[in-house]
Amino acid sequence: QVRLVQSGAEVEKPGASVRVSCEASGDSFTYYALHWVRLAPGQRPEWMGWINPDNGFTKYSQKFQDRVTITRDTSASTIFMELRGLRAEDTAMYYCARDRGRIIMFGGATGAFDVWGQGTMIAVSS
Amino acid sequence: EIVMTQSPATLSVSPGERATLSCRASQTVSSKLAWYQQKPGQAPRLLIYGASTRATGIPARFSGSGSGTEFTLTITSLQSEDFAVYYCQQYNDWPPWTFGEGSKVEIK
Repeated sequence: QVRLVQSGAEVEKPGASVRVSCEASGDSFTYYALHWVRLAPGQRPEWMGWINPDNGFTKYSQKFQDRVTITRDTSASTIFMELRGLRAEDTAMYYCARDRGRIIMFGGATGAFDVWGQGTMIAVSS
Repeated sequence: EIVMTQSPATLSVSPGERATLSCRASQTVSSKLAWYQQKPGQAPRLLIYGASTRATGIPARFSGSGSGTEFTLTITSLQSEDFAVYYCQQYNDWPPWTFGEGSKVEIK
């Protein structure tokens, strides 16, 4: 059974950067795309980007393109999401999520998410 | 960017009754539509993908239908554990993949 375990909550000041980790266990790390999705209070979920853990290919939402970087450490079966230039409206729960389709079968990510991490709360406040 | 609109915002239902939730896309998403359930303090859980295919371990009382721009999630005979927020999400056109604003199913 695959599990995604995320790093703990963070409180940051406006303008700072934050880095969230997501460790995968229970299945081959490189078989499935991994995504980041955030859910801010009273807002709809927002897809931020995804990474192919096998080759490091990434694709980001235009909304976050200039401020987010997703990386991976295959030796640790872990991906990371760095968000820069934090502002109050970035206060949200951030989730990593596994794509439901194997990369080799679909040629990339399918865009549906079948396993989720427990979430990491990021609060931005001065 | 495809905009997903869900209705109703809140649905009050008695246990054992049926709940029907709607999701509309601003342009066609074919059958690339997923439904998620989220309970307080928990991560979302995939219920339905491909508009009508139940994810692994999802009870048969959950069913999805629709294609193109109009979709429905039906929960027959609501159980206590089904009271939650439900999101639809399109994955036909990206970036970005987009979600609806959610429908809350509450106890009547």
